[in-house]
Amino acid sequence: GIQVEQSPPDLILQEGANSTLRCNFSDSVNNLQWFHQNPWGQLINLFYIPSGTKQNGRLSATTVATERYSLLYISSSQTTDSGVYFCAVENTGRRALTFGSGTRLQVQP
Amino acid sequence: SAVISQKPSRDICQRGTSLTIQCQVDSQVTMMFWYRQQPGQSLTLIATANQGSEATYESGFVIDKFPISRPNLTFSTLTVSNMSPEDSSIYLCSVVVDGDTIYFGEGSWLTVV
Repeated sequence: GIQVEQSPPDLILQEGANSTLRCNFSDSVNNLQWFHQNPWGQLINLFYIPSGTKQNGRLSATTVATERYSLLYISSSQTTDSGVYFCAVENTGRRALTFGSGTRLQVQP
Repeated sequence: SAVISQKPSRDICQRGTSLTIQCQVDSQVTMMFWYRQQPGQSLTLIATANQGSEATYESGFVIDKFPISRPNLTFSTLTVSNMSPEDSSIYLCSVVVDGDTIYFGEGSWLTVV
């Protein structure tokens, strides 16, 4: 099956800093989504982005499908951005996602 | 988007017992899935819940251990049978909305003692 690798595995930032999270995948995809899992376990859907660029407030994402990677940008980070960020992809037509191992982000005040 | 409710949100269970988790969606959805997240790990797909037919299980998951029901297009249950401490996980229900975007319920935290 498809492989998904995320980097870095852990990231510590000071409030106000910017960061870039990366997701590499091993095959072409029909679906790519970024999620934020908060400390209570809730998965929040950030972006549906199988290709192209999207922005939502301080967050933006870019997927270069031909090169099989996606980037999540977080600008002016806040303590509420802390949690685990997952990249998940789908390429079988079944709509079931394969998740990367996640990036654990800690934003310090 | 969709509102996805799971019950229970959290439970502590004795080993050897079974627990049924419910997933209720506020609109009809064609595709519904169950995932497991073991402590400190990523999410793994357990099965696709098919309306009106048997669920489709991923490698490593079997119906006897994780029976699933999907009686209609808004509801599904996952049972974790004969539980052991290794079953301690977050169990999440997910649905496909608007054809592509996949949303998750808030998860059911299960601790087996």
